[in-house]
Amino acid sequence: AQSVTQLDSQVPVFEEAPVELRCNYSSSVSVYLFWYVQYPNQGLQLLLKYLSGSTLVKGINGFEAEFNKSQTSFHLRKPSVHISDTAEYFCAVSPPLTDSWGKLQFGAGTQVVVTP
Amino acid sequence: NAGVMQNPRHLVRRRGQEARLRCSPMKGHSHVYWYRQLPEEGLKFMVYLQKENIIDESGMPKERFSAEFPKEGPSILRIQQVVRGDSAAYFCASSPPWENPNGYTFGSGTRLTVV
Repeated sequence: AQSVTQLDSQVPVFEEAPVELRCNYSSSVSVYLFWYVQYPNQGLQLLLKYLSGSTLVKGINGFEAEFNKSQTSFHLRKPSVHISDTAEYFCAVSPPLTDSWGKLQFGAGTQVVVTP
Repeated sequence: NAGVMQNPRHLVRRRGQEARLRCSPMKGHSHVYWYRQLPEEGLKFMVYLQKENIIDESGMPKERFSAEFPKEGPSILRIQQVVRGDSAAYFCASSPPWENPNGYTFGSGTRLTVV
């Protein structure tokens, strides 16, 4: 079984400042890792994913994340945020290819509030 | 190529009524997943379906909830005799067959309010 911990429930940040959202996971097997963004009253949009290969993953909207196997972390970063990045961000894990590989385990979410 | 379509977007039901939530997956996606998001919480897995087959329903409440994905038509999540605690956002996601792990596409959700 897997679990996901998002260490910050809310992150206030000024416009054009960098932001890091922390995500740690626990699993007895290798996993796939995802970050999703949810804008108010909308569904989830995939920002980026790590399946294998390079541990630095680049996603949409200038976001990137680094997979650290030894620390079981998958922190999300953006060097300079915009007001439009105000949203809830979810880290998620799933087991690799199995009958239920697509069953995602989500963290509780981190609310990012960007102010001018 | 339309995305995952969920309807209705908003649904209000009185306690004791039935709620039916529909999800049409993306073209070419044969796997459907339902998740529930309670207020101030992350998404919780409910059920994973393929056409005419429930693969994993480990997240479904034991009573009042059921899901189907018929050969033709959308996937349906059905909640009988709704209670206030069922108020939540219900999201559907679809994915291609498991050999192609490109991740999910989520719908915009159905927000159920039980009054």
